[in-house]
Amino acid sequence: DTAVSQTPKYLVTQMGNDKSIKCEQNLGHDTMYWYKQDSKKFLKIMFSYNNKELIINETVPNRFSPKSPDKAHLNLHINSLELGDSAVYFCASSTDSIYNEQFFGPGTRLTVL
Amino acid sequence: GQQVMQIPQYQHVQEGEDFTTYCNSSTTLSNIQWYKQRPGGHPVFLIQLVKSGEVKKQKRLTFQFGEAKKNSSLHITATQTTDVGTYFCAGRGYGQNFVFGPGTRLSVLP
Repeated sequence: DTAVSQTPKYLVTQMGNDKSIKCEQNLGHDTMYWYKQDSKKFLKIMFSYNNKELIINETVPNRFSPKSPDKAHLNLHINSLELGDSAVYFCASSTDSIYNEQFFGPGTRLTVL
Repeated sequence: GQQVMQIPQYQHVQEGEDFTTYCNSSTTLSNIQWYKQRPGGHPVFLIQLVKSGEVKKQKRLTFQFGEAKKNSSLHITATQTTDVGTYFCAGRGYGQNFVFGPGTRLSVLP
């Protein structure tokens, strides 16, 4: 019973393509996040949604667009992929956007060629 | 903006030795969390500290939150090979988002 799941686990694509990563949590959490972890292991928050509404939108290129069809899902769509987008993308969720622990998904390793 | 730093960046220890990683924030924090990420894995929550000067223990792990709520530390006593991984602190300033530190990578030699 995976708490936070992501698909796909690996994604290899060409520059300029458009791709999506899906995330689902079955924990009943109100808040979901997308993080980017680069090759140096820096974890940077990209987006946060609380009950389907965007509450954090860090400075990321507008080629990245999150979509939350319901509070259990937060998908990430990326347009016109660039080499620098290669990274591991983690989805996470928590019960409260302020204090509670974040449960991370297994990650999606994106490689842009 | 808020910055969270961690030292050391890397630490290699012999199994059985102690290990400490330090986390420092440029601003006062409302709370701080610690996560562990095994190689090839995802971050896993370890603990949250909220009160000034708070100390919490989990078996061989001891977590501290500084009196000024701008720094924190994680100490592991008698490391084991299962402790290998990257340890991240994540600090949240008042009215701000969580910011993760760059992590400390721990290697434990058997």
